[in-house]
Amino acid sequence: GAGVSQSPSNKVTEKGKDVELRCDPISGHTALYWYRQSLGQGLEFLIYFQGNSAPDKSGLPSDRFSAERTGGSVSTLTIQRTQQEDSAVYFCASSFMVLPYNEQFFGPGTRLTVL
Amino acid sequence: DQQVKQNSPSLSVQEGRISILNCDYTNSMFDYFLWYKKYPAEGPTFLISISSIKDKNEDGRFTVFLNKSAKHLSLHIVPSQPGDSAVYFCAASAGSQGNLIFGKGTKLSVKP
Repeated sequence: GAGVSQSPSNKVTEKGKDVELRCDPISGHTALYWYRQSLGQGLEFLIYFQGNSAPDKSGLPSDRFSAERTGGSVSTLTIQRTQQEDSAVYFCASSFMVLPYNEQFFGPGTRLTVL
Repeated sequence: DQQVKQNSPSLSVQEGRISILNCDYTNSMFDYFLWYKKYPAEGPTFLISISSIKDKNEDGRFTVFLNKSAKHLSLHIVPSQPGDSAVYFCAASAGSQGNLIFGKGTKLSVKP
């Protein structure tokens, strides 16, 4: 079946603008995760959803970041008043459930550039 | 404070030889470890995993070894092929936590 999809693939924005990133997980996967990768770094966890609820928001870097998931499927990550340090590749992943030993499947990422 | 460390940013190996990628961790609560492979402009793809109750897991040319006392794991690729050239990320999770903690990655180049 189809893998995890993300849109847009690239986004260039001006500092101070809001951006919205979208993730469509694998059908039937109840768990959804957001990570970001800054230049030269590993993937940094941001937030995960089990169904529509987000029990762990500890990874969000500031209150400018928010995420929601509706209908247990599509998720959007919103960054308000973007800053240059927000520039990164944002990855979404999904897994069947939030359990140990569950492989996470990643989307191709959205490359965000804040000018 | 990095909980998962990949101290070699890059590794170059001749085709047909063994590639050994290393990973160290500091959190003794980690009980599940994964290796992901990443090509440019693509998302990471799952390669192999190991739980803390095992010390070795094998899948074809890929073997992961876990040394819990040393908080060290390694990925062996034998024989290495040019198509294995990619960035390899080590990741770990603890108990029922949903998120993975990633290392910074090691770029493997396999030369023909």
